[in-house]
Amino acid sequence: GAVVSQHPSRVICKSGTSVKIECRSLDFQATTMFWYRQFPKQSLMLMATSNEGSKATYEQGVEKDKFLINHASLTLSTLTVTSAHPEDSSFYICSARDKGYPNSPLHFGNGTRLTVT
Amino acid sequence: GQNIDQPTEMTATEGAIVQINCTYQTSGFNGLFWYQQHAGEAPTFLSYNVLDGLEEKGRFSSFLSRSKGYSYLLLKELQMKDSASYLCAVRDSYSGGYQKVTFGIGTKLQVIP
Repeated sequence: GAVVSQHPSRVICKSGTSVKIECRSLDFQATTMFWYRQFPKQSLMLMATSNEGSKATYEQGVEKDKFLINHASLTLSTLTVTSAHPEDSSFYICSARDKGYPNSPLHFGNGTRLTVT
Repeated sequence: GQNIDQPTEMTATEGAIVQINCTYQTSGFNGLFWYQQHAGEAPTFLSYNVLDGLEEKGRFSSFLSRSKGYSYLLLKELQMKDSASYLCAVRDSYSGGYQKVTFGIGTKLQVIP
């Protein structure tokens, strides 16, 4: 149980275009999902917290107009990287916590490797 | 905020025992997690401590001392497949209706024959 599906797993896009990443909780409901970014040899850095039915909460230094987050249902959150630049190339990972078990560990998607050329 | 420290790299021999330490300073605390992450993959959950003491799960054990802001992950009977990064992560107390999990930089463990 507690499976989080993330798509796509890899994407290559041209500079200036936008990319959408989906994160789905397959067998549980998640009122909150978290979006992380990981650069090579660095830790996971929290970008934003996605709240179902309300606006996302962004961490300091993360541009909300560049990284658009939509959490339209209890099982789906999307992250759209707008006007992507090469420096946005990174590993993006979503995670979710079971609504019914708020103290449970985070369950992670398999991540999306974004390369901007 | 959270500040989490752990060694960046460790090497250990197959079949041996290795201990990976983690220290943290937090403004609020509601649990510490250990995750395993192989290169290019997402983290997978290993263990969770919220009270002081040792939690054992097969070859993996994790210890927590809240007063010292200290945890360790113990891996026994090391196997080559245990070569990975091990991430220490701390969860905030409730803040604004949700809890934030902050990750350390991870300890890259290399298991050698």
